[in-house]
Amino acid sequence: SQELEQSPQSLIVQEGKNLTINCTSSKTLYGLYWYKQKYGEGLIFLMMLQKGGEEKSHEKITAKLDEKKQQSSLHITASQPSHAGIYLCGASDITGSARQLTFGSGTQLTVLP
Amino acid sequence: SQTIHQWPATLVQPVGSPLSLECTVEGTSNPNLYWYRQAAGRGLQLLFYSVGIGQISSEVPQNLSASRPQDRQFILSSKKLLLSDSGFYLCAWSKAGGGSTFGQFFGPGTRLTVL
Repeated sequence: SQELEQSPQSLIVQEGKNLTINCTSSKTLYGLYWYKQKYGEGLIFLMMLQKGGEEKSHEKITAKLDEKKQQSSLHITASQPSHAGIYLCGASDITGSARQLTFGSGTQLTVLP
Repeated sequence: SQTIHQWPATLVQPVGSPLSLECTVEGTSNPNLYWYRQAAGRGLQLLFYSVGIGQISSEVPQNLSASRPQDRQFILSSKKLLLSDSGFYLCAWSKAGGGSTFGQFFGPGTRLTVL
């Protein structure tokens, strides 16, 4: 079965700083989904990557997929307190669809004002 | 637009009591539906998923069961709760069929504490 390892497990940054979260898969990535979760709430879908080398951005968050490394990275530029939360990556099966996702254990991000 | 509801938001139950958590989706037809459990500091564990009414797949053997009595309703149940059933339960939906890359969309969750 596929396993996803996220690093770091937790991260504390000063407001305005850039940061990167990584998600590494034990198997080939066919589709990678990034979510954000505030404590005690549901997951908010951020973006989905499917092709090697693909890069997507939403506001100050950019995600990339490195197919060869079986890895995706999530980069936040000029972090704000509103970025705080748990970031989870989810990998699809060979179809690349969202039908079945395997999730990493998450990265807890704290942004200090 | 699509929305997903879960209730109750929080629940405290004694060991051995029954459980019923409900999830409903609006604004879409024949969605795939999922129940996940999230333990503290850990990722999401898929418990059940359903591709249609009465069609339930169980991912892990456990003390829980799921049912889908209507197209957009998904229920998580237990006859007798265990301490280990405590956690944060999330319901999610995705578009029908196996090829959608639209993502899975999550409800607000239910915090279950078994005492």
